[in-house]
Amino acid sequence: AQSVTQLDSHVSVSEGTPVLLRCNYSSSYSPSLFWYVQHPNKGLQLLLKYTSAATLVKGINGFEAEFKKSETSFHLTKPSAHMSDAAEYFCVVVDFGNEKLTFGTGTRLTIIP
Amino acid sequence: GAGVSQTPSNKVTEKGKYVELRCDPISGHTALYWYRQSLGQGPEFLIYFQGTGAADDSGLPNDRFFAVRPEGSVSTLKIQRTERGDSAVYLCASSPKNTGELFFGEGSRLTVL
Repeated sequence: AQSVTQLDSHVSVSEGTPVLLRCNYSSSYSPSLFWYVQHPNKGLQLLLKYTSAATLVKGINGFEAEFKKSETSFHLTKPSAHMSDAAEYFCVVVDFGNEKLTFGTGTRLTIIP
Repeated sequence: GAGVSQTPSNKVTEKGKYVELRCDPISGHTALYWYRQSLGQGPEFLIYFQGTGAADDSGLPNDRFFAVRPEGSVSTLKIQRTERGDSAVYLCASSPKNTGELFFGEGSRLTVL
């Protein structure tokens, strides 16, 4: 079975500094991977997705993620944090055999003014 | 256009009661998903519909849980003999077929007293 592990349950960064949210995946074949964001009292929103095209994927709001097969990682980064980035972030692996999404446990990102 | 709509947004019930949660997907989306999110956890897969049929119901925790989508659009998640452990936010999402991108509603928060 496919799975993802988010290595940090909580990350705090100062406004204007880089963001790194870590995700490792486990899959028996080349996976499709996503990052979703959940702002307080809002629905989950797709941030970006990797589907075996370019390994560096750009998403909304300046976020990007790099698929590294050798490290089985799909870390999410942003060069400069903004206050509006404060939210819960979920790494997700998709089983395209049945289009079922499996979510990680989430990383809560806090931005310090 | 309208997004995924879930009703009620909040439901408080007593242990042992029956509950129905409704999901109106985005028009034209053939795939519909139900997830459950407990406090501090990532969304947990319950069931996935492709059209009217349940393509994968492996995530339903037991036979107290049942979901239908009779006309391939609106779906209802039904929980019988509710237990306190059923308290969670129930998320619905829809997707155009084979994209892997899900559009989530804001969820129905169920509290079982």
